[in-house]
Amino acid sequence: QLQLQESGPGAVKPSETLSLNCIVSGGPISSISYYWGWIRQPPGKGLEWIGDIKYRENTYYNPSLKSRVTISVDTSTNRFSLRLTSVTAADTAVYYCARRYFDGVLEPLPFDYWGQGTLVTVSS
Amino acid sequence: DIQMTQSPSSLSASVGDRVTITCRASQGISNYVAWYQQKPGKAPKLLIYAASTLQSGVPFRFSGGGSGTDFTLTISSLQPDDVATYYCQKYNSAPQFTFGPGTKVDIK
Repeated sequence: QLQLQESGPGAVKPSETLSLNCIVSGGPISSISYYWGWIRQPPGKGLEWIGDIKYRENTYYNPSLKSRVTISVDTSTNRFSLRLTSVTAADTAVYYCARRYFDGVLEPLPFDYWGQGTLVTVSS
Repeated sequence: DIQMTQSPSSLSASVGDRVTITCRASQGISNYVAWYQQKPGKAPKLLIYAASTLQSGVPFRFSGGGSGTDFTLTISSLQPDDVATYYCQKYNSAPQFTFGPGTKVDIK
């Protein structure tokens, strides 16, 4: 059974960089069929897709965050990571990692496996 | 950018009621719509994809429909366990996998 687990600091200071990891268990992150993504949710608000990545293929970012976001994959530890630079209070949110299917042949699928989420608060 | 809207933003219904939530895309997106259920403090759970395909393990009282720009999520007989916020999402192409603003469902 696939499982995803977010980890990282629960607090970040304004103007600093937010860094989170998502450890994947139960399947290889190097699979050619899946994208691995990040979604966030400010307290009491809706969901916002941040971006996602497929090993050795494309990385996609939300245009509204693209200048500040980097998503990367580490196959040696079967995890992928999020870096968000120059954070402000508006980046305070629960950050989720998730998986979606797209192999370029069959029809794409939405995010079917999610981590439990981790709250990151931006405050001085 | 394609925007997703949902209506209503919230609803209250009785146990056993039929409940329908609407999602509208600002441009045609074929059938690339998913519906998620999110309970407080939990991650979203995929209910429906390709507008009308039920994800494995999801109760049959949930159903989806529509194509192009207008989509629906229907709960045929509302149960106490269905109290949650429901989101639609377009997933036809990067770089935008936009979510709708959500519909909060509770029991009257």
